Amino acid sequence: GAGVSQSPSNKVTEKGKDVELRCDPISGHTALYWYRQSLGQGLEFLIYFQGNSAPDKSGLPSDRFSAERTGGSVSTLTIQRTQQEDSAVYLCASRKTGGTEAFFGQGTRLTVV
Amino acid sequence: KQEVTQIPAALSVPEGENLVLNCSFTDSAIYNLQWFRQDPGKGLTSLLLIQSSQREQTSGRLNASLDKSSGRSTLYIAASQPGDSATYLCAVLHSGAGSYQLTFGKGTKLSVIP
Repeated sequence: GAGVSQSPSNKVTEKGKDVELRCDPISGHTALYWYRQSLGQGLEFLIYFQGNSAPDKSGLPSDRFSAERTGGSVSTLTIQRTQQEDSAVYLCASRKTGGTEAFFGQGTRLTVV
Repeated sequence: KQEVTQIPAALSVPEGENLVLNCSFTDSAIYNLQWFRQDPGKGLTSLLLIQSSQREQTSGRLNASLDKSSGRSTLYIAASQPGDSATYLCAVLHSGAGSYQLTFGKGTKLSVIP
């Protein structure tokens, strides 16, 4: 596609429910990142996928968070048993391999009520 | 651990002024440095990418410099306009935990007053 696409753009969910956030990277980009941005805060790294290598999960805040990347393309970030502190904008970025430019999607704004 | 700092956290200037945003990083072993712009409620838009072997990059009224050995980058905006009002973020791409990590500063919120 022309850019990184994230869906949904907005999601309101009840506390305790599970949510899935989707990221479609730019075609041919082998690297994919998920970040979280809480209101008024900086970007917090969550997880990084590179090709078929094991993902770097070092930023996931708890075991309620998980992510998959199927076929080296689309990625899904899943948050189980959502809490109010999970409310944030979740941003996805992709890059070609090597030291190349990162491109971001427009983000998914998650609100847990 | 790589840390990225941006100073100032916020900046307000009158329209037409030239301005400089600062970014510093603690580990000089980087692959590149990227400047982004973020408008309220939006994602990040890439402005300029400087590879570790480069000293500067220019795009229109924007000029970014990189001094890798001292761990510093600056973003120069010439003849600022109200449409430049946004948060500007810098990020470095570096090795960490066996992967290519992209570490961000907390940003500089720029307001250009008409």
